[in-house]
Amino acid sequence: QVQLVESGGGLVKPGGSLRLSCAASGFTFSDFYMSWIRQAPGKGLEWVSYISSSSTYRNDADSVKGRFTISRDNAKNSLYLQMNSLRAEDTAVYYCARGSREPDYWGQGTLVTVSS
Amino acid sequence: DVVMTQSPLYLPVTLGQTASISCRSSQSLVYSDGNTYLNWFRQRPGQSPRRLIYKISNRDSGVPDRFSGSGSGTDFTLKISRVEAEDAGVYYCMQGTHWPPYTFGQGTKLEIK
Repeated sequence: QVQLVESGGGLVKPGGSLRLSCAASGFTFSDFYMSWIRQAPGKGLEWVSYISSSSTYRNDADSVKGRFTISRDNAKNSLYLQMNSLRAEDTAVYYCARGSREPDYWGQGTLVTVSS
Repeated sequence: DVVMTQSPLYLPVTLGQTASISCRSSQSLVYSDGNTYLNWFRQRPGQSPRRLIYKISNRDSGVPDRFSGSGSGTDFTLKISRVEAEDAGVYYCMQGTHWPPYTFGQGTKLEIK
C-alpha cells in the first residue's frame, strides 16, 4: 500500500534552516510528481512546492520562493524540502503528497515551529 | 492567485439527511488539455487530508457512492447523501489547473447532529 512518511520537523529560530524528508513506499516513486503542502495551526491548506518525476520541473509558491527548495532522490524513494530563512509565518504541519494537480495520497505530516 | 470560495463554512446536518457544499473559483478551472482539475478532500481531526473526488466527479477508491461531485467552469458542488457519523470533518475543494499556486477553499466544517 502507498505510504508517505515525513520527518525532520522541529523547533527552529527565525532565520534558521531545516530540511524535511518524505520516505515513499508502495508505489513506483520515479513515476510520480510529488508535492509539499502545509497547514498552519488551526488554519486551512496552502500549497508550497511541487517537483516533476525526473526533477525537470519545480515550482514554488510565491510565499516561499527563494527560501525553500524542493528536491528528490528517486534511487532512495525520497522527497525533500530544504527550508532557509524561516519566518514565524512558516510555522505549520508540512505534508508530502503524491501528485500535483490531483494529490491522491498524503503523509501524516511533520510539524515545523519557527519561534525564538 | 485563483481564489476558491466555499459555502457554507459550517454545516450542521442531521444523520441520514443530505449535505451540500458549494465551491466557486475566481477563474474557469478548465485546463488546456480539456480537463477540469477540481478535487475534494476531507480532513478529520488530527488526520491528514484524504482525497474523495477528482476531476469534478470521479470518486476515489473506497469512497462510498453517497458522495457525488458536480459542476463545471467556476461552480462546483459536493453532495453527501444519507449522512453518517463518520462523514464528520472539514471538507476542502482544491483547484489544480492554475499555477502559481494550486489553491484550496477555506474549508467547510461538517457537523453531524
